Amino acid sequence: QVQLVQSGAEVKKPGASVKVSCKVSGYTLTELSMHWVRQAPGKGLEWMGGFDPEDGETIYAQKFQGRVTMTEDTSTDTAYMELSSLRSEDTAVYYCATGRDTAISDNWFDPWGQGTLVTVSS
Amino acid sequence: SYVLTQPPSVSVAPGKTARITCGGNNIGSKSVHWYQQKPGQAPVLVIYYDSDRPSGIPERFSGSNSGNTATLTISRVEAGDEADYYCQVWDSSSDHPGWVFGGGTKLTVL
Repeated sequence: QVQLVQSGAEVKKPGASVKVSCKVSGYTLTELSMHWVRQAPGKGLEWMGGFDPEDGETIYAQKFQGRVTMTEDTSTDTAYMELSSLRSEDTAVYYCATGRDTAISDNWFDPWGQGTLVTVSS
Repeated sequence: SYVLTQPPSVSVAPGKTARITCGGNNIGSKSVHWYQQKPGQAPVLVIYYDSDRPSGIPERFSGSNSGNTATLTISRVEAGDEADYYCQVWDSSSDHPGWVFGGGTKLTVL
């Protein structure tokens, strides 16, 4: 059974970057596809990007392109999401979530990490 | 980009049936997944491929998808079903394909 454990809460100043980690256990990262979803306070879910096993590429949501980088360390089965040029609107809970090792369009997210609160404030 | 429309709230008495809709242009041609999110917790998958249930999800949860509307149905609603519910589809229609979520529906058990 896959389990995802994320890094702890972060407080950042506007303009800074944040890097959130997501440690996988029960499976290896190469057997899964990792996605990142965020949720602003009191708001809905927003997909930021994820890995497409069919192409071997990471697809980023247009809104975040140029500002987000998703990487993986297969030696430690840990995924990372780095978001740069932070602004107050980026204050949110950031979740990692796994999909299957299939085409990105033929997937769903199960399970999810516990979430990491990132607060952007001066 | 593709838009999914959910009612902000649905209320139902215990033991009754709740139906949460997810509207989208020709959504019946897409696979819809549903998530349950309780306060302070991460989302949990409750329905995938329109109507399949993951292991551990009660049979009271079911789904359907046709035309412009997908529906999550919760039968014999319990107090523990009170949560936010989100639908999800893959949008391949634009130059920037990606996953899209509905705005979420808060289910209140009266």
